Amino acid sequence: DIQMTQSPSSLSASVGDRVTITCRASQPIGVWLAWYQQKPDTAPRSLIFAASSLHTGVPSRFSGSGSGTDFTLTITNLQPEDSATYYCQQYNSYPITFGQGTRLEI
Amino acid sequence: EVQLVESGGGLVQPGESLILSCAASGFSFSDYWMTWVRQAPGKGLEWVANINQHATEVYYVDSVKGRFTVSRDNAKNSLYLQMDALRADDTAVYYCARAVNVVVSAIPGYWGRGALVTVSS
Repeated sequence: DIQMTQSPSSLSASVGDRVTITCRASQPIGVWLAWYQQKPDTAPRSLIFAASSLHTGVPSRFSGSGSGTDFTLTITNLQPEDSATYYCQQYNSYPITFGQGTRLEI
Repeated sequence: EVQLVESGGGLVQPGESLILSCAASGFSFSDYWMTWVRQAPGKGLEWVANINQHATEVYYVDSVKGRFTVSRDNAKNSLYLQMDALRADDTAVYYCARAVNVVVSAIPGYWGRGALVTVSS
């Protein structure tokens, strides 16, 4: 199985800041990586697929990059509503696997 | 608007069975792969199963193989998860999800609100 490792596990930032979350795969996965946002007691929200493609309705403050084993999620001009836990997910091969999550506090 | 509504969750004892349903609306259900993802209390997300449009391709995480069965009824716009031989570590919120689009099929783009399954004696 492909292991996904996110860093950091948690971070704190301020409104207007730029933050980067990284995700590393235990083996190359091409660009088959997705990012999700989850707020407490709510369903996840899909943000990005294919490493850098924004899902419908996602603000352009969110961006993704990377290929192979190393990926990043960048959020610019942080807003209070960005406070959430973020997960990466590889879908290069089954079983599909998630990272452990990164908690972002604004 | 895409809507996914899970039902059938509840409290069961170890070894028992439960069926989750997911009612889909707002899109052509038969055109999309569907996914189940779960989240144990206080834990991260875990992919459980994928099923293609006509149920000819089905994939499971190892921990549920042989115990869980995903199925769909395209005439009823419904997705199901039959869960047998339930264990305490199956306790989680189970999310039904639709693929991003007809091309990006393996991962969720739209999510239901989830159904809580608690396995406890």
